[in-house]
This record gives sequence, C-alpha cells and structure tokens, in this order.
Amino acid sequence: QQQVKQSPQSLIVQKGGISIINCAYENTAFDYFPWYQQFPGKGPALLIAIRPDVSEKKEGRFTISFNKSAKQFSLHIMDSQPGDSATYFCAASRTYSNTGKLIFGQGTTLQVKP
Amino acid sequence: GAVVSQHPSWVICKSGTSVKIECRSLDFQATTMFWYRQFPKQSLMLMATSNEGSKATYEQGVEKDKFLINHASLTLSTLTVTSAHPEDSSFYICSARDRVFYNEQFFGPGTRLTVL
Repeated sequence: QQQVKQSPQSLIVQKGGISIINCAYENTAFDYFPWYQQFPGKGPALLIAIRPDVSEKKEGRFTISFNKSAKQFSLHIMDSQPGDSATYFCAASRTYSNTGKLIFGQGTTLQVKP
Repeated sequence: GAVVSQHPSWVICKSGTSVKIECRSLDFQATTMFWYRQFPKQSLMLMATSNEGSKATYEQGVEKDKFLINHASLTLSTLTVTSAHPEDSSFYICSARDRVFYNEQFFGPGTRLTVL
C-alpha cells in the first residue's frame, strides 16, 4: 500500500515531442505528489509538485495531471528538448506524517533525440 | 532557492575503514534530514530519517551500527559508514525538509563512495 508504481521504465522521444510519464499509488492518505529530475551523478532536483485539491498544475513546459479517483498522476513534458534527457522520479508523501517520508517510483529514463 | 550541500562529492577508501559524509542545508533550517542510497539505474532507497537532536530512525534492513547518523544541528547531518566493505560502494544522497515549506525535500548533490 506504500508503493508508487511508475511507467514506463524508459522513454525515447523526438525533439519537440511530448513526453508522458505515469504514476499510480494506493495509499489514499498521500497528499503531496512531487516529480524529481535527476542527471547522472547528481542529486534529484524538484521539478514540480501537486496536491489532490487540483487536477492539473503547469510550470513552463512541465505539467502534472492528477486523477484522484483513479489514484494516478502523470508528468507531461511539452516540446521536449535534448537537455530534458534525464531520469525522472515521481513520489508521494503525507503532509502530517511524523517523518514526511517520500515514497519514490522506480524512475523513468528519458532520452530526447535531436 | 533552498540549497543542500554534501561533502565530499566522492571518496575512495580501503576496506575496513570508516567514512564520514556531511550534509548541510545552506540557507534554511531543516527540521528533518533524510539519507538515501542509490545503485546504478535504480530508484532512491531511503536508509534513515533524522531529526535534529534526536536519534535517527532507520528503515527496515538498514544496519544502524554500520551506518551511523548524527543530526547535530538544524543545518548539519552526518552519515558515517563504519568498517566499509566493497558492497557499501554506492551513491549516497541526503535531503533536507524545510521548516517552512514543510512538504518539500531539497536534495544534496550526492556522494559517490567506492570501497576497494
């Protein structure tokens, strides 16, 4: 019930295309859903995050879509660029838990071809 | 933005020695710091959670006597890998939870540990 399942494991997109990564969760107590971007040899960096009270959040080329009833959320990268090539992790946590632990998905390696 | 630093960025040590990794929140106070381990092409695995001034809480399967965590202040946590062995070689990443933006975790750049 603590798991967050992420798909696909890897993704190849042409420059200018849309990259879509999906995540699903089980625990309905989760109320914070961030996406992280990680380049090789670096720590993850927060890209964008959403709470269940909204169905969509957009920041620049990055959009999170959230479906509370289906317990799913996804990251859309519009106009994908070679510089977006990285590993993306979705995560989930509970705001009022003692620890604020993030439960991570398995990660998606994105390659954007020029 | 919130910045978390780690030191060293990489370390090579001999089997049996101990290695200390520092994690600092540079421009904010962290109520909680987290330590993760990441193997190549895998997700982040949470090792332990530490709150300033109290003992760390370790995840199941993580040896607390091997991975010593000290959270001495609101801006500094250390991870000491004691009696390191080649199987401890990994990428270690810390994160810090902002006292104000409660949910957000800011990650350090990671430390690559290689044990020979």
